[in-house]
Amino acid sequence: GAGVSQTPSNKVTEKGKYVELRCDPISGHTALYWYRQSLGQGPEFLIYFQGTGAADDSGLPNDRFFAVRPEGSVSTLKIQRTERGDSAVYLCASSLMPSGRAATQYFGPGTRLTVL
Amino acid sequence: AQKVTQAQTEISVVEKEDVTLDCVYETRDTTYYLFWYKQPPSGELVFLIRRNSFDEQNEISGRYSWNFQKSTSSFNFTITASQVVDSAVYFCALSDRGSTLGRLYFGRGTQLTVWP
Repeated sequence: GAGVSQTPSNKVTEKGKYVELRCDPISGHTALYWYRQSLGQGPEFLIYFQGTGAADDSGLPNDRFFAVRPEGSVSTLKIQRTERGDSAVYLCASSLMPSGRAATQYFGPGTRLTVL
Repeated sequence: AQKVTQAQTEISVVEKEDVTLDCVYETRDTTYYLFWYKQPPSGELVFLIRRNSFDEQNEISGRYSWNFQKSTSSFNFTITASQVVDSAVYFCALSDRGSTLGRLYFGRGTQLTVWP
């Protein structure tokens, strides 16, 4: 079956602009995660959805970052007033509902965001 | 606090050599899960293995093997008879109950280069 897909694969924007990054999880996966990976670093957690609600958004760096998952499937990560420090690869992952155990997360190819 | 340390930033070996990637973790929880992911040059994180804290049995899968030792808080990964296709960045990750089971804490990764 299809894996996690993310669009766009690359996004170049100017400082101060608004961007949206999209994630389409594996069919049937109810949990969805966003991570950010800077060059030479491991992925850093941003937010985790169970169904439509954010179960843990403690990784969002500030209020410029926001994510939604209105129908419990596709998710959009929104970044307002982008800054050069937001440049990174944004990774999305999905899994079956953890329900008491850590479920294995399957990752998409990522969106490379460059803020000029 | 949760932390994953991969002290080896880069490793280079020649094909057919065995190589071990180290991972040391920190957690206050007695229930936790450990993961290894591979990130080839294409960029997509590929799941390799998941272990829970109650299962210290070592695991072998083809040329890959994992050594989990709670006494030293380590979860090391060995590739036997390495191949050029093994060249990638390898990440160790931790999930525990203190952080909702959805969140993965990643190490900084080890860049493995296998030369022909």
